[in-house]
Amino acid sequence: NAGVTQTPKFQVLKTGQSMTLQCAQDMNHNSMYWYRQDPGMGLRLIYYSASEGTTDKGEVPNGYNVSRLNKREFSLRLESAAPSQTSVYFCALERVTGGYTFGSGTRLTVV
Amino acid sequence: KQEVTQIPAALSVPEGENLVLNCSFTDSAIYNLQWFRQDPGKGLTSLLLIQSSQREQTSGRLNASLDKSSGRSTLYIAASQPGDSATYLCAVRSNDYKLSFGAGTTVTVRA
Repeated sequence: NAGVTQTPKFQVLKTGQSMTLQCAQDMNHNSMYWYRQDPGMGLRLIYYSASEGTTDKGEVPNGYNVSRLNKREFSLRLESAAPSQTSVYFCALERVTGGYTFGSGTRLTVV
Repeated sequence: KQEVTQIPAALSVPEGENLVLNCSFTDSAIYNLQWFRQDPGKGLTSLLLIQSSQREQTSGRLNASLDKSSGRSTLYIAASQPGDSATYLCAVRSNDYKLSFGAGTTVTVRA
């Protein structure tokens, strides 16, 4: 998954706590995405950013906020974590040549 | 809203048999389609990318076809090996930058 770095890899939160998942690319690609993956649900799009400074809601945006302050970084914030947000989170970018590269994921547990 | 369906949900075959994985999508106005592989607890590895203007792509033992008008793609894996055991995901990129995933087909190749 060279080119997309996600941090942290694992996190346990208590209900109501906040946290930010970080994603950074070392390439010069425009579009970046945040997905969550749950058993039996596949990957669902939370938010995406077609370019620096722009963000749009995906399929399941409730409870999340995102920030794309520069081309390199796209962060996902949980303001008040809920057990329903227990999931594996993936960041992805769309390559200029086409296709997608995914980060290695963040496994989040909310207790 | 783009809906992506993968059939079957699971598949078990003896080593050496050819694999056929199906993906269907509801909106034929797509930008491209990508097949991924995911091993348990891991991220997504890109296998093949088919642009909307293409009919198929090949890489080694893998071949993917695309019939945009009927909303279908098929991934063929020739002469399966135990190392091919994984979940295979189909993802459709629409013209509005969104990438929609199917729930995946979990493949088990028996030695």
